Amino acid sequence: DGGITQSPKYLFRKEGQNVTLSCEQNLNHDAMYWYRQDPGQGLRLIYYSQIVNDFQKGDIAEGYSVSREKKESFPLTVTSAQKNPTAFYLCASSMGQLETQYFGPGTRLLVL
Amino acid sequence: KQEVTQIPAALSVPEGENLVLNCSFTDSAIYNLQWFRQDPGKGLTSLLLIQSSQREQTSGRLNASLDKSSGRSTLYIAASQPGDSATYLCAVIPLNAGGTSYGKLTFGQGTILTVHP
Repeated sequence: DGGITQSPKYLFRKEGQNVTLSCEQNLNHDAMYWYRQDPGQGLRLIYYSQIVNDFQKGDIAEGYSVSREKKESFPLTVTSAQKNPTAFYLCASSMGQLETQYFGPGTRLLVL
Repeated sequence: KQEVTQIPAALSVPEGENLVLNCSFTDSAIYNLQWFRQDPGKGLTSLLLIQSSQREQTSGRLNASLDKSSGRSTLYIAASQPGDSATYLCAVIPLNAGGTSYGKLTFGQGTILTVHP
């Protein structure tokens, strides 16, 4: 089955802790994206990567970091600098940066 | 800065009705526009993608139109069913000042659709 997987489904973060959200795709897509969704709001872009070993900041990158060491994987780290991390995080990928984006099932991050 | 607005924020209709969801964007310089569906607590499913040079796209009971000059798109759902209940999101890929684009989707806030039997 081809698709995008995200793990875990739910993640709990303690104050001052860094946590990493996983995103894997087997669609052979070059571009990958991380979005944040808050209740009643649309999605906002955190980071995106057009190719391996390259990534760019989106609209709300502060307090987040990413890596793209493999084509299939684009993990997102929520650092302690992100003061309001509670949200639904969605990963997406596309064949090219202007093609249809396909989304994973999401990770809900909650703060203890 | 590109802004995307969706009206109405919520819509409740009886089964079988034809309905229209609206999306407007402030800057007509776009590469394409996408409509997505999101079920509660789930990721997004792409429904239709309209290139800036196109006027409409159709898939089954769904038809999306694009009027770039007026900054508007509509999603038409024919013969609605309870299974259509979800949040519908539209998003655009804007062109930057140089006429290129970087695949950065700008989303509206969504329309929550409820179709009751």
